[in-house]
Amino acid sequence: ELKVEQNPLFLSMQEGKNYTIYCNYSTTSDRLYWYRQDPGKSLESLFVLLSNGAVKQEGRLMASLDTKARLSTLHITAAVHDLSATYFCAVDPRGSARQLTFGSGTQLTVLP
Amino acid sequence: EAGVVQSPRYKIIEKKQPVAFWCNPISGHNTLYWYRQNLGQGPELLIRYENEEAVDDSQLPKDRFSAERLKGVDSTLKIQPAELGDSAVYLCASSLQRGETQYFGPGTRLLVL
Repeated sequence: ELKVEQNPLFLSMQEGKNYTIYCNYSTTSDRLYWYRQDPGKSLESLFVLLSNGAVKQEGRLMASLDTKARLSTLHITAAVHDLSATYFCAVDPRGSARQLTFGSGTQLTVLP
Repeated sequence: EAGVVQSPRYKIIEKKQPVAFWCNPISGHNTLYWYRQNLGQGPELLIRYENEEAVDDSQLPKDRFSAERLKGVDSTLKIQPAELGDSAVYLCASSLQRGETQYFGPGTRLLVL
């Protein structure tokens, strides 16, 4: 059974600071997604990472994938209040029983 | 381009009552998914459709849950009878095809009293 673990689960940070969210997974995969969810809203796709070493950046967010370590990171640079949300990673395992499996999410609060 | 549409947005029912959720995927998307999201957790897949065929329903509690996707477009998820533990957000998502990025609807927030 594929397991996806995110840490931290809760993150409170000051505006202007940098931080990294980690996503570990337990099985082989070369496709990983990051989603953002605002309170009471649905999930918004941020990044899809398709190969080992993939790096994608959008604004203050940068995501990377290391398939050998089974690890993805979401780095936040110079955080602003608008980034406050819950961030989920989701792993698409290889093989016939492909089913997108989500982590528990990281609830990010950016304080002024 | 219109996104995934779901209705209702909120539903409050008493236990043992039936309830149904409706989803209209993004036009042209062949694959449709129903997820359940409990408070403080990530979504969990209930069922996946490829066109009108349910190809992965291993996580669907079949004694009380049913789903259909007539004509390979809109889909309905039903619970009968509802239990207290069914309180959650039910999300619909669609993708062009299996393995492509999934786009989520706003969800239906269900409260069973």
